[in-house]
Amino acid sequence: GAVVSQHPSWVICKSGTSVKIECRSLDFQATTMFWYRQFPKKSLMLMATSNEGSKATYEQGVEKDKFLINHASLTLSTLTVTSAHPEDSSFYICSASIASGRDPFDNEQFFGPGTRLTVL
Amino acid sequence: QKEVEQNSGPLSVPEGAIASLNCTYSDRGSQSFFWYRQYSGKSPELIMSIYSNGDKEDGRFTAQLNKASQYVSLLIRDSQPSDSATYLCAMGGGSYIPTFGRGTSLIVHP
Repeated sequence: GAVVSQHPSWVICKSGTSVKIECRSLDFQATTMFWYRQFPKKSLMLMATSNEGSKATYEQGVEKDKFLINHASLTLSTLTVTSAHPEDSSFYICSASIASGRDPFDNEQFFGPGTRLTVL
Repeated sequence: QKEVEQNSGPLSVPEGAIASLNCTYSDRGSQSFFWYRQYSGKSPELIMSIYSNGDKEDGRFTAQLNKASQYVSLLIRDSQPSDSATYLCAMGGGSYIPTFGRGTSLIVHP
């Protein structure tokens, strides 16, 4: 159980185009999803927290107009990188957590396999 | 500001030995702690979660939590080359926003 999928697993695009990445929780309903970015040999960086039906909360320094997040249902969140540039090339990873209401169990996160974005 | 500190390593141990990974955290109010393993080029996978003081064992892995001293550790017994990865310590709380450490690189050599 607790499987999270991401699509696509890798994508190559031209500079200036937009790319959409999907994150799905396959066998549970995720009230909260997180989007991370990781550059080679660097640590995981939280970009934003997304709750179903509400606007995402972005971390400091992350441009919300560039990284559009939509969390339309309890099983799907999408990240759209708009007008992508080579510096946006990175490994994007989503995770989902289950809010069981029984803290401290609320924060167990399950990660998707990641999407490797290369912008030419 | 909530922080999780880990030694970046690399920690190198011979095959069959016990690998000991440590983590300290700043928020005394944190109630939940996690260890994730991340292979190069892959996403993190949850290995252990621990919520109470003491030890929690799962196969070759033992997580230890000491809330008074604000540290959590992960012991890997009978280390195998396949255990070579980066291990991330994370803490949670009521805010649902996790705090991750930078990770410790573990190398298990034959």
